[in-house]
Amino acid sequence: EAGVTQSPTHLIKTRGQQATLRCSPISGHTSVYWYQQALGLGLQFLLWYDEGEERNRGNFPPRFSGRQFPNYSSELNVNALELEDSALYLCASSLHASREGYTFGSGTRLTVV
Amino acid sequence: QQQVKQSPQSLIVQKGGIPIINCAYENTAFDYFPWYQQFPGKGPALLIAIRPDVSEKKEGRFTISFNKSAKQFSLHIMDSQPGDSATYFCAASKDEKLTFGTGTRLTIIP
Repeated sequence: EAGVTQSPTHLIKTRGQQATLRCSPISGHTSVYWYQQALGLGLQFLLWYDEGEERNRGNFPPRFSGRQFPNYSSELNVNALELEDSALYLCASSLHASREGYTFGSGTRLTVV
Repeated sequence: QQQVKQSPQSLIVQKGGIPIINCAYENTAFDYFPWYQQFPGKGPALLIAIRPDVSEKKEGRFTISFNKSAKQFSLHIMDSQPGDSATYFCAASKDEKLTFGTGTRLTIIP
């Protein structure tokens, strides 16, 4: 069974640009979660999508947004990139908001220069 | 606001020793406490989890101890091996969102 896949693995952007990160959940999982892992800060909850709808968002500015497609894959968009957005962005999936079934992907390393 | 505090930040233990990682939480509504293991270049993987109605849970060489009154929980790794060298995160949850600690980088030396 394929795990959670994220693309690209690495992304380098210039300050002010937009970044798009993609996530494919485990087959059968309908919930997708996005977390930011910045150095020394652990994982910070960004967004939760389930059945195509945004269900919850963390304490991040509106320039962090995303969507979930009918096949349950998801996209995270970060607009007007700032240097402090440099981090590892992790996607996780689970069955209908089952926190006990969280499976993480390997992440996208975003570097803003 | 750091709702889950994790310590130590890093830990070096000799092979066969018992590393202990501690976490403390503030929100008494949390009712699910997982531990994740992360290797370089990989996402975190669920190791073991506990609910507050249980004081201890053991899975293989990994044990969680939970103290509800003190709002603390800890991970013990028995007979530690060099392959256990990784970053460990505790987390807590009251809904679908996980609140993570800042991580402990564990190194097991042969």
